[in-house]
Amino acid sequence: GQQLNQSPQSMFIQEGEDVSMNCTSSSIFNTWLWYKQDPGEGPVLLIALYKAGELTSNGRLTAQFGITRKDSFLNISASIPSDVGIYFCAGPMDTGRRALTFGSGTRLQVQP
Amino acid sequence: DGGITQSPKYLFRKEGQNVTLSCEQNLNHDAMYWYRQDPGQGLRLIYYSQIVNDFQKGDIAEGYSVSREKKESFPLTVTSAQKNPTAFYLCASSLLGSGNTIYFGEGSWLTVV
Repeated sequence: GQQLNQSPQSMFIQEGEDVSMNCTSSSIFNTWLWYKQDPGEGPVLLIALYKAGELTSNGRLTAQFGITRKDSFLNISASIPSDVGIYFCAGPMDTGRRALTFGSGTRLQVQP
Repeated sequence: DGGITQSPKYLFRKEGQNVTLSCEQNLNHDAMYWYRQDPGQGLRLIYYSQIVNDFQKGDIAEGYSVSREKKESFPLTVTSAQKNPTAFYLCASSLLGSGNTIYFGEGSWLTVV
């Protein structure tokens, strides 16, 4: 079945450091989405990517749609304490179902 | 304010009871979804609905039921057949044809006592 592998599982960094995380799929995607979830809240959409090779920024966040269409990357520059949370990648489910499948998430902790 | 409202935020259920989680949206979105999240894990699809009076099973539909009588509402019932219901439940919605971008409510915690 379809699988989304997200890495790393967790990161503990110092404030001001840059962060990189990635997601790989067992199948080709035509859309990649990145969400952030604060503790006890619903995920919030950060960036949506719709084209292979696309590079999109949202403030200090930059995401890329991999050329192979099977991977995507999210970078956070100059991290701050409020970046703490879980970051999820997501893409369309296969078998024609109109819903998203999610990676297992990257838990980010930022030490002030 | 426009958005997705889930209630209650916290719910305790005794074993053998059915409980219903509410989800309402005023975004005029066509599609609605229910996901389940277990601690330290990703989101798994329970059910989704693209139009009123129609819904489809997700990956973990067993022990759950839904209805879609109104465009704005997509309640989820956790039945006694769900053997491990303690989890964080997330409702979401989207426009059809919006590149699959979905937006989430704030979630409901269900604990079996």
